[in-house]
Amino acid sequence: QKEVEQNSGPLSVPEGAIASLNCTYSDRGSQSFFWYRQYSGKSPELIMFIYSNGDKEDGRFTAQLNKASQYVSLLIRDSQPSDSATYLCAVNVNQAGTALIFGKGTTLSVSS
Amino acid sequence: GAVVSQHPSWVICKSGTSVKIECRSLDFQATTMFWYRQFPKQSLMLMATSNEGSKATYEQGVEKDKFLINHASLTLSTLTVTSAHPEDSSFYICSARQGINEKLFFGSGTQLSVL
Repeated sequence: QKEVEQNSGPLSVPEGAIASLNCTYSDRGSQSFFWYRQYSGKSPELIMFIYSNGDKEDGRFTAQLNKASQYVSLLIRDSQPSDSATYLCAVNVNQAGTALIFGKGTTLSVSS
Repeated sequence: GAVVSQHPSWVICKSGTSVKIECRSLDFQATTMFWYRQFPKQSLMLMATSNEGSKATYEQGVEKDKFLINHASLTLSTLTVTSAHPEDSSFYICSARQGINEKLFFGSGTQLSVL
């Protein structure tokens, strides 16, 4: 059974610090990886996606992928209180028409 | 990003009634849409994969006769919760994949409360 694991948190960081969110997945056939942000009572919002090993940067966000270790992470630099949310890691094994498998999410709290 | 519209945003209904939720892709055609359910403080659980012009594929444990899915066109999928009961109260979210790049975009979700 395909699984995506995340530490539920909460992860607490002060404003301006770097928040590091981690995710592991069980299926070695996984090809694409996504990070979604979800505010309470709202639908998930896509933040980052990564397909290749290494780092991918977009503004304050950096996604890191290590397929050998089956590990993907999200770094948030200069964390802001508005970043406080639940971050969901999602994985796709790249089969046509398949849905994403989601982790349970990590709750991030950024204090001002 | 692509826009996926979902409504209603919330609905309160009596036990035993049916509720229909609509999901539309506004600026792209989605041959496949996905329906998720999320209970409080839990992750998204895939309920079914909705394929345009064919029957939906349901995940294990999801009753297809209770959760009716119709994907009538490339831009519209509907989920009908039939004979709803309080245990069906949840946050239902549809999603669609834009093209072949596999990014998944979500509708705004529907909070269903069954009394």
